[in-house]
Amino acid sequence: DAKTTQPNSMESNEEEPVHLPCNHSTISGTDYIHWYRQLPSQGPEYVIHGLTSNVNNRMASLAIAEDRKSSTLILHRATLRDAAVYYCILRDGGNKLVFGAGTILRVKS
Amino acid sequence: EPEVTQTPSHQVTQMGQEVILRCVPISNHLYFYWYRQILGQKVEFLVSFYNNEISEKSEIFDDQFSVERPDGSNFTLKIRSTKLEDSAMYFCASSVGLNSGNTIYFGEGSWLTVV
Repeated sequence: DAKTTQPNSMESNEEEPVHLPCNHSTISGTDYIHWYRQLPSQGPEYVIHGLTSNVNNRMASLAIAEDRKSSTLILHRATLRDAAVYYCILRDGGNKLVFGAGTILRVKS
Repeated sequence: EPEVTQTPSHQVTQMGQEVILRCVPISNHLYFYWYRQILGQKVEFLVSFYNNEISEKSEIFDDQFSVERPDGSNFTLKIRSTKLEDSAMYFCASSVGLNSGNTIYFGEGSWLTVV
Protein backbone atom coordinates (compact mmCIF):
# COMPACT_ATOMS: atom_id res chain seq x y z
CA ASP A 1 0.00 0.00 0.00
CA ALA A 2 1.31 3.42 -0.94
CA LYS A 3 2.18 5.61 2.00
CA THR A 4 1.25 9.16 2.87
CA THR A 5 2.89 11.61 5.25
CA GLN A 6 0.89 14.20 7.16
CA PRO A 7 1.74 16.60 10.00
CA ASN A 8 0.71 15.26 13.39
CA SER A 9 -1.35 18.33 14.23
CA MET A 10 -2.37 21.75 13.02
CA GLU A 11 -4.21 24.65 14.53
CA SER A 12 -6.50 27.16 12.91
CA ASN A 13 -8.63 30.11 13.90
CA GLU A 14 -12.34 29.92 13.39
CA GLU A 15 -13.59 31.32 10.07
CA GLU A 16 -10.13 31.29 8.55
CA PRO A 17 -9.02 28.97 5.72
CA VAL A 18 -7.09 25.83 6.60
CA HIS A 19 -4.63 24.07 4.33
CA LEU A 20 -3.89 20.48 5.34
CA PRO A 21 -0.88 19.05 3.47
CA CYS A 22 -0.19 15.46 2.48
CA ASN A 23 2.90 14.01 0.84
CA HIS A 24 2.67 10.86 -1.22
CA SER A 25 5.89 10.65 -3.19
CA THR A 26 5.43 6.96 -4.13
CA ILE A 27 1.95 7.42 -5.61
CA SER A 28 1.26 5.32 -8.70
CA GLY A 29 -0.60 6.43 -11.79
CA THR A 30 -3.87 4.76 -10.84
CA ASP A 31 -3.98 5.78 -7.16
CA TYR A 32 -6.78 8.11 -6.21
CA ILE A 33 -6.18 10.48 -3.28
CA HIS A 34 -8.98 10.19 -0.73
CA TRP A 35 -9.52 12.41 2.30
CA TYR A 36 -11.57 11.38 5.29
CA ARG A 37 -12.09 12.99 8.66
CA GLN A 38 -13.04 11.53 11.98
CA LEU A 39 -14.76 13.50 14.70
CA PRO A 40 -14.42 12.22 18.27
CA SER A 41 -16.32 8.94 18.84
CA GLN A 42 -17.60 8.86 15.27
CA GLY A 43 -16.85 6.88 12.14
CA PRO A 44 -14.57 8.13 9.36
CA GLU A 45 -16.44 10.58 7.18
CA TYR A 46 -15.67 10.94 3.49
CA VAL A 47 -14.54 14.45 2.58
CA ILE A 48 -13.27 14.48 -0.99
CA HIS A 49 -11.18 12.55 -3.49
CA GLY A 50 -9.32 13.17 -6.75
CA LEU A 51 -6.92 11.73 -9.28
CA THR A 52 -5.13 14.55 -11.10
CA SER A 53 -7.26 17.67 -11.30
CA ASN A 54 -8.22 19.90 -8.42
CA VAL A 55 -11.64 19.06 -7.00
CA ASN A 56 -14.27 21.05 -5.16
CA ASN A 57 -17.32 19.94 -3.24
CA ARG A 58 -19.57 21.41 -0.57
CA MET A 59 -17.19 20.41 2.22
CA ALA A 60 -13.76 21.25 0.88
CA SER A 61 -11.37 21.65 -2.02
CA LEU A 62 -8.54 19.32 -2.98
CA ALA A 63 -5.48 20.75 -4.67
CA ILE A 64 -3.24 18.13 -6.30
CA ALA A 65 0.31 18.94 -7.31
CA GLU A 66 1.16 18.58 -10.98
CA ASP A 67 3.52 15.68 -10.26
CA ARG A 68 0.88 14.17 -7.88
CA LYS A 69 3.46 13.67 -5.16
CA SER A 70 1.58 15.92 -2.79
CA SER A 71 -1.89 17.29 -2.22
CA THR A 72 -3.60 19.82 0.02
CA LEU A 73 -7.04 19.68 1.55
CA ILE A 74 -8.50 23.16 1.83
CA LEU A 75 -11.27 24.04 4.26
CA HIS A 76 -12.35 27.48 3.16
CA ARG A 77 -13.70 28.72 6.48
CA ALA A 78 -12.94 26.55 9.47
CA THR A 79 -15.63 26.16 12.09
CA LEU A 80 -15.46 24.51 15.50
CA ARG A 81 -17.28 21.55 13.97
CA ASP A 82 -14.30 20.98 11.65
CA ALA A 83 -12.08 20.01 14.57
CA ALA A 84 -11.25 16.39 13.78
CA VAL A 85 -8.54 14.00 12.65
CA TYR A 86 -8.02 14.31 8.89
CA TYR A 87 -6.71 11.32 6.95
CA CYS A 88 -5.10 11.41 3.51
CA ILE A 89 -5.28 7.93 1.96
CA LEU A 90 -4.21 6.53 -1.39
CA ARG A 91 -6.60 4.01 -2.88
CA ASP A 92 -5.31 1.72 -5.57
CA GLY A 93 -8.52 -0.14 -6.21
CA GLY A 94 -7.94 -2.83 -3.65
CA ASN A 95 -10.33 -3.95 -0.99
CA LYS A 96 -9.15 -1.81 1.84
CA LEU A 97 -8.25 1.68 2.94
CA VAL A 98 -5.10 1.93 4.99
CA PHE A 99 -5.43 4.62 7.66
CA GLY A 100 -2.41 6.36 9.10
CA ALA A 101 -2.35 8.55 12.17
CA GLY A 102 -3.72 11.55 10.26
CA THR A 103 -3.56 15.24 11.20
CA ILE A 104 -5.35 16.43 14.31
CA LEU A 105 -6.93 19.76 13.43
CA ARG A 106 -7.71 22.09 16.32
CA VAL A 107 -9.89 25.10 15.65
CA LYS A 108 -9.73 28.07 18.00
CA SER A 109 -12.63 30.39 18.54
CA GLU B 1 -28.35 11.23 1.87
CA PRO B 2 -27.98 7.43 2.07
CA GLU B 3 -25.94 6.20 5.01
CA VAL B 4 -24.55 3.08 6.59
CA THR B 5 -26.36 2.29 9.83
CA GLN B 6 -25.04 0.15 12.66
CA THR B 7 -26.55 -1.47 15.74
CA PRO B 8 -26.01 -1.54 18.63
CA SER B 9 -24.24 1.75 19.22
CA HIS B 10 -22.71 0.34 22.38
CA GLN B 11 -22.55 -3.16 23.82
CA VAL B 12 -20.97 -4.46 26.98
CA THR B 13 -20.30 -8.17 27.08
CA GLN B 14 -18.57 -10.65 29.33
CA MET B 15 -15.34 -12.26 28.19
CA GLY B 16 -16.04 -15.52 26.37
CA GLN B 17 -19.50 -14.50 25.20
CA GLU B 18 -20.55 -14.32 21.56
CA VAL B 19 -21.33 -10.93 20.07
CA ILE B 20 -23.06 -10.02 16.83
CA LEU B 21 -22.71 -6.53 15.43
CA ARG B 22 -25.19 -5.53 12.76
CA CYS B 23 -24.98 -3.18 9.83
CA VAL B 24 -27.25 -2.02 7.03
CA PRO B 25 -25.03 -0.92 4.12
CA ILE B 26 -26.12 1.65 1.56
CA SER B 27 -28.74 -0.05 -0.60
CA ASN B 28 -27.09 -0.10 -4.04
CA HIS B 29 -23.63 -0.94 -2.70
CA LEU B 30 -22.05 -4.30 -3.48
CA TYR B 31 -18.90 -4.33 -1.33
CA PHE B 32 -19.03 -4.44 2.44
CA TYR B 33 -16.32 -4.01 5.03
CA TRP B 34 -15.59 -4.14 8.73
CA TYR B 35 -12.91 -2.02 10.34
CA ARG B 36 -12.08 -1.56 13.97
CA GLN B 37 -10.39 1.10 16.09
CA ILE B 38 -9.00 0.34 19.51
CA LEU B 39 -9.16 3.41 21.75
CA GLY B 40 -6.37 5.84 20.87
CA GLN B 41 -5.13 3.77 17.93
CA LYS B 42 -5.49 3.79 14.15
CA VAL B 43 -8.49 2.56 12.20
CA GLU B 44 -7.66 -1.00 11.06
CA PHE B 45 -9.11 -3.07 8.25
CA LEU B 46 -10.66 -6.39 9.26
CA VAL B 47 -12.46 -7.88 6.28
CA SER B 48 -14.13 -7.16 2.97
CA PHE B 49 -17.09 -9.08 1.55
CA TYR B 50 -18.52 -9.34 -1.95
CA ASN B 51 -20.99 -11.66 -3.61
CA ASN B 52 -21.51 -13.60 -0.38
CA GLU B 53 -17.84 -14.33 0.06
CA ILE B 54 -14.93 -12.85 1.95
CA SER B 55 -12.73 -11.16 -0.63
CA GLU B 56 -9.91 -10.08 1.68
CA LYS B 57 -9.17 -10.30 5.37
CA SER B 58 -6.46 -9.04 7.67
CA GLU B 59 -4.37 -10.97 10.18
CA ILE B 60 -6.66 -9.66 12.92
CA PHE B 61 -9.63 -11.50 11.38
CA ASP B 62 -8.92 -14.94 12.81
CA ASP B 63 -11.21 -17.93 13.35
CA GLN B 64 -13.01 -16.11 16.17
CA PHE B 65 -14.50 -13.71 13.65
CA SER B 66 -17.07 -14.36 10.95
CA VAL B 67 -19.20 -12.26 8.65
CA GLU B 68 -22.52 -12.93 7.03
CA ARG B 69 -25.11 -11.29 4.85
CA PRO B 70 -28.19 -13.11 6.18
CA ASP B 71 -30.64 -11.28 3.92
CA GLY B 72 -30.71 -8.61 1.25
CA SER B 73 -30.06 -5.71 3.58
CA ASN B 74 -28.07 -6.72 6.67
CA PHE B 75 -24.37 -7.44 7.07
CA THR B 76 -23.14 -8.86 10.36
CA LEU B 77 -19.87 -9.37 12.21
CA LYS B 78 -19.81 -12.17 14.77
CA ILE B 79 -17.14 -12.61 17.40
CA ARG B 80 -17.49 -16.15 18.78
CA SER B 81 -15.76 -15.91 22.12
CA THR B 82 -14.85 -12.36 23.02
CA LYS B 83 -11.54 -11.44 24.63
CA LEU B 84 -10.64 -8.31 26.55
CA GLU B 85 -8.53 -7.15 23.60
CA ASP B 86 -11.58 -7.20 21.33
CA SER B 87 -12.78 -4.05 23.09
CA ALA B 88 -12.88 -1.45 20.33
CA MET B 89 -15.10 0.60 18.07
CA TYR B 90 -16.20 -1.49 15.09
CA PHE B 91 -17.08 0.31 11.87
CA CYS B 92 -19.09 -1.14 9.04
CA ALA B 93 -18.55 0.35 5.58
CA SER B 94 -19.76 -0.13 2.04
CA SER B 95 -18.94 0.92 -1.50
CA VAL B 96 -20.42 0.58 -4.96
CA GLY B 97 -17.29 -1.00 -6.35
CA LEU B 98 -13.59 -1.64 -5.93
CA ASN B 99 -12.43 0.94 -8.43
CA SER B 100 -9.92 3.30 -6.85
CA GLY B 101 -12.26 6.21 -7.55
CA ASN B 102 -15.12 4.59 -5.63
CA THR B 103 -15.78 6.01 -2.18
CA ILE B 104 -16.08 3.79 0.87
CA TYR B 105 -18.74 5.09 3.26
CA PHE B 106 -18.57 4.32 6.96
CA GLY B 107 -21.18 3.92 9.64
CA GLU B 108 -21.07 5.62 13.03
CA GLY B 109 -19.67 2.54 14.72
CA SER B 110 -20.52 0.07 17.45
CA TRP B 111 -18.61 0.40 20.69
CA LEU B 112 -17.81 -3.03 22.09
CA THR B 113 -16.61 -3.27 25.67
CA VAL B 114 -15.52 -6.70 26.89
CA VAL B 115 -15.32 -7.06 30.66
